[in-house]
Amino acid sequence: DTGVSQDPRHKITKRGQNVTFRCDPISEHNRLYWYRQTLGQGPEFLTYFQNEAQLEKSRLLSDRFSAERPKGSFSTLEIQRTEQGDSAMYLCATNVGLAGYEQYFGPGTRLTVT
Amino acid sequence: GEDVEQSLFLSVREGDSSVINCTYTDSSSTYLYWYKQEPGAGLQLLTYIFSNMDMKQDQRLTVLLNKKDKHLSLRIADTQTGDSAIYFCAESLNTGGFKTIFGAGTRLFVKA
Repeated sequence: DTGVSQDPRHKITKRGQNVTFRCDPISEHNRLYWYRQTLGQGPEFLTYFQNEAQLEKSRLLSDRFSAERPKGSFSTLEIQRTEQGDSAMYLCATNVGLAGYEQYFGPGTRLTVT
Repeated sequence: GEDVEQSLFLSVREGDSSVINCTYTDSSSTYLYWYKQEPGAGLQLLTYIFSNMDMKQDQRLTVLLNKKDKHLSLRIADTQTGDSAIYFCAESLNTGGFKTIFGAGTRLFVKA
């Protein structure tokens, strides 16, 4: 247990529905990252926050995806009008400081779109 | 461009050394990492190396970095069955946020 928690751990939804995932970081960590991992692949970067500011978004993040970190603590990732291709493990990672070389990963939320 | 490549499978006998290789493309990488993922578990950082280093040793783990060839390797000495997992090579880019790019992972099988 790294201290990063994600909720829910599993989500099954029907195509077209909206889903929201939550990540709670280690308390003093100011950077928060979202990744997506599909079967047989490594995690793919989606976006990251420094405090409440979203500083970078991958081109993988279509306009159906939105992430927030309103108070610089927990973060939410919302997917609107889910598609079967959105089925994946969504990982959150956090770290702190200028160097930030180690990212602490949460257990992930596994999304299945039927 | 940003790309990390590694072989998909490696099988070794218990007690032998394992060597997992990785190549990356971005010359501005500042940190390079090896992460381990066991079935049903999260990603665990095993070790990392700064881009200005050639080698790092940490108990049974040895990381070698050839910056000229953009080649990174992880050697696990005296491999145990508990080392069976997927090993991800990753690089952090010097883009301010240290965005991390991962390879597809090498699945290590350790035969008893």
